[in-house]
Amino acid sequence: DVQMTQSPSSLSASVGDRVTITCRASQEISNYLNWYQQKPGKAPKLLIYDASNLETGVPSRFSGSGSGTRFTFTISSLQPEDIATYYCQQYENLPFTFGGGTKVEIK
Amino acid sequence: EVQLLESGGGLVQPGGSLRLSCAASDFTFSNYAMTWVRQAPGKGLEWVSTISGSGTTTYYADFVKGRFTISRDNSNNSMYLHMTSLRADDTAIYFCAKDDATIPLAGTFDHWGQGALVTVSS
Repeated sequence: DVQMTQSPSSLSASVGDRVTITCRASQEISNYLNWYQQKPGKAPKLLIYDASNLETGVPSRFSGSGSGTRFTFTISSLQPEDIATYYCQQYENLPFTFGGGTKVEIK
Repeated sequence: EVQLLESGGGLVQPGGSLRLSCAASDFTFSNYAMTWVRQAPGKGLEWVSTISGSGTTTYYADFVKGRFTISRDNSNNSMYLHMTSLRADDTAIYFCAKDDATIPLAGTFDHWGQGALVTVSS
């Protein structure tokens, strides 16, 4: 199975800050990597697909990059409504696997 | 607007069975693979099973093989997860999710239901 390791597991930042989350795959997955946002008590929401493509309707302050085994997710200017847990997910191989999540809080 | 609505969750004893349903609307259901993802209380997301659009191909996580069965009824725009031999560590919210592309197995989930809570406890 492809293990997905996210870091950090949590972070606290101020409104307007740039926030970066890293996801590492245990083997090459090309760009078969998605990012999801999950707010408390809600279902996950797709933000980024194929490592760097913004899902329709998602604000442009969210972005993703990377390929192979190292991926980055960035919020360019943190907003109060971005408080959530963010997950990476690989779909290069079955079983599809998710990272452990990064909980983002406002300082 | 695409909608997915799970039902059938509840409390079940260890060793028991339960069937979850996912009712879909506002898209051509048979064109898309569908997936179950679960989330144990306070934990992360875990892929459980996927079924192709036609229903002819199914995929399972190792931890549910032989215990869970995924199926779909394209005439009723519904997907199911029949769970047997349930264990305490199957306790989770079970989300149904739609693949984002009309290929047999896309692996990107662009719409999710609100989830159904399954609690396995005596």
